[in-house]
Amino acid sequence: DIQMTQSPSTLSASVGDRVTITCRASQSIGDWLAWYQHKPGKAPILLIFKASNLKSGVSSRFSGSGSGTEFTFTISSLQADDFATYYCQQYHTYWTFGQGTKVEI
Amino acid sequence: EVQLVESGGGLVKPGGSLRLSCAASGFTFSVYSMNWVRQAPGKGLEWVSSLSSSGSSRYDADSVKGRFTVSRENAKNSLYLQMNSLRAEDTAVYYCVRGNGFPRGYFDLWGRGILVTVSS
Repeated sequence: DIQMTQSPSTLSASVGDRVTITCRASQSIGDWLAWYQHKPGKAPILLIFKASNLKSGVSSRFSGSGSGTEFTFTISSLQADDFATYYCQQYHTYWTFGQGTKVEI
Repeated sequence: EVQLVESGGGLVKPGGSLRLSCAASGFTFSVYSMNWVRQAPGKGLEWVSSLSSSGSSRYDADSVKGRFTVSRENAKNSLYLQMNSLRAEDTAVYYCVRGNGFPRGYFDLWGRGILVTVSS
């Protein structure tokens, strides 16, 4: 099974900050990686697919990069609406989520 | 409106059964793979089961293999999850999720989730 390790698990930040989350796969997954945003009581939202492709309609302050086993997710300038938990997910072999990164004030 | 709406959750005793349903609307259900993902209280997201657009190919997480069965009725735009031999660790919010690509597909549309509680 492919394991996904996200860091940090919690991130304290302020509006306007640049935020970076790292996701590491236990084996190479090419660029078969997605990033999701999840707020309590709401449906998770797809932000990025294929490691760096922004979903249509999603703000360009979100970006992703990486391939193989190392991936990065960045919010260029944190907005109040961005406080949430973010998950990476590999879909190279079945599907595995990282443990999540909670972005809080 | 493009949406997925789950139903059928609730409280069930350990060893019991429950069937979740997911009603899809606003898109051509029959061309998409579909999935179930869950989130236990205080935990992260966990993939549960996936089903191809035709229903001919299916994958299950090891944690539910042999106990849960995903199925679909394309004529009714509906996805199901039959859950048997339920355990306390199956307690979670269950999300119905649309897949984009199969088997290598990301999850591009999520329902709001339905709570399943397994407790005596």
